[in-house]
Amino acid sequence: DADVTQTPRNRITKTGKRIMLECSQTKGHDRMYWYRQDPGLGLRLIYYSFDVKDINKGEISDGYSVSRQAQAKFSLSLESAIPNQTALYFCATSDSTSGQSKAYNEQFFGPGTRLTVL
Amino acid sequence: GDSVTQMEGPVTLSEEAFLTINCTYTATGYPSLFWYVQYPGEGLQLLLKATKADDKGSNKGFEATYRKETTSFHLEKGSVQVSDSAVYFCALSEPPGNTGKLIFGQGTTLQVKP
Repeated sequence: DADVTQTPRNRITKTGKRIMLECSQTKGHDRMYWYRQDPGLGLRLIYYSFDVKDINKGEISDGYSVSRQAQAKFSLSLESAIPNQTALYFCATSDSTSGQSKAYNEQFFGPGTRLTVL
Repeated sequence: GDSVTQMEGPVTLSEEAFLTINCTYTATGYPSLFWYVQYPGEGLQLLLKATKADDKGSNKGFEATYRKETTSFHLEKGSVQVSDSAVYFCALSEPPGNTGKLIFGQGTTLQVKP
């Protein structure tokens, strides 16, 4: 079974609709991230969460909101979808250990959700 | 702020050709550097990493060396295969004690023809 799952995998919706994308993980990680991928722009960070009570905006948070329902679940919402939010959305997780011996925390990605807003 | 720039694609090669995908970065401090690969229809997978200057990351025949003097982390493979066709992303990471965020380049599409 996949460690990081995303639902739905594909979604087509209309302008103005509310959409929720869900992410679940079984890795036991504290940190979770939402990115969007656009051709020629790479992945850009929307929101990130260090634990259930710690949620932070990324570089492109306008038009999005998130909810960390539990350590294992992190949802992304588009309150009123618009066509330029058509993109591939990825959830990622990492652990939170740090210290002098820890240069980085590897992020593990879900399979992505392809969202089309008409 | 920190940023990553990688060469424009797509890159089209014949099987067994030599591959180079250029990546340069701008960062304060000492980030860790990564190459991620995205196969068609899948999420991103970590391909290789380097955490300090002069480190060489390697995996599946791919290599990249952390060059602090030129702020570069170019990806190379001596002989590509059709199965290497994918999108490749260069990225840097803030330290875990900070946010641990990944900052990605634009991605480079590689197509390998038989």
